[in-house]
Amino acid sequence: SQTIHQWPATLVQPVGSPLSLECTVEGTSNPNLYWYRQAAGRGLQLLFYSVGIGQISSEVPQNLSASRPQDRQFILSSKKLLLSDSGFYLCAHRRGAGEKLFFGSGTQLSVL
Amino acid sequence: AQSVTQLGSHVSVSEGALVLLRCNYSSSVPPYLFWYVQYPNQGLQLLLKYTTGATLVKGINGFEAEFKKSETSFHLTKPSAHMSDAAEYFCAVSRSYNTDKLIFGTGTRLQVFP
Repeated sequence: SQTIHQWPATLVQPVGSPLSLECTVEGTSNPNLYWYRQAAGRGLQLLFYSVGIGQISSEVPQNLSASRPQDRQFILSSKKLLLSDSGFYLCAHRRGAGEKLFFGSGTQLSVL
Repeated sequence: AQSVTQLGSHVSVSEGALVLLRCNYSSSVPPYLFWYVQYPNQGLQLLLKYTTGATLVKGINGFEAEFKKSETSFHLTKPSAHMSDAAEYFCAVSRSYNTDKLIFGTGTRLQVFP
């Protein structure tokens, strides 16, 4: 069965510090991978998606970046966090043929 | 461009009452529509989806939604609310069955009172 792991569950970081959130998928190969952010009152916003190793598409300009060093690993990063980066970050994957997204449990990021 | 509007960021109902969560969409092509639910301290789960065919779609936990093209709506309903239905509900739209992108609404938090 497919599982998706996302960590950490919560994170409190000072402004200007770096960020690295990791997401790994098990039980499938060559998944499409996604990073979503859920900011208060703004719903879920697609940040990045990847259809393969090293292939990253950015949906919105921002202070964040993503990388896919391995087939089932997707990393969300920042060199210097801003207050506006606070939010709930969700990793998701799709098997490819179907449209159903499987979501991770999320990371609550607070930038202070 | 596609967009989703969920009317009411918070909805409160009594246990046993009808649940109605509203979703309107905008799409230049025939849409594919989804409802996702996020229970406290859990990830998102797919409740139901509309792709083609029958416009009344039944999902898990007794929920259903009806695609109304003339009203550009996809409202989520449940005849009788249960305490365990308390969660945040997201409507979403995409352009194709295999699209990489889901556009989500801002979500509606459902509270159920005894």
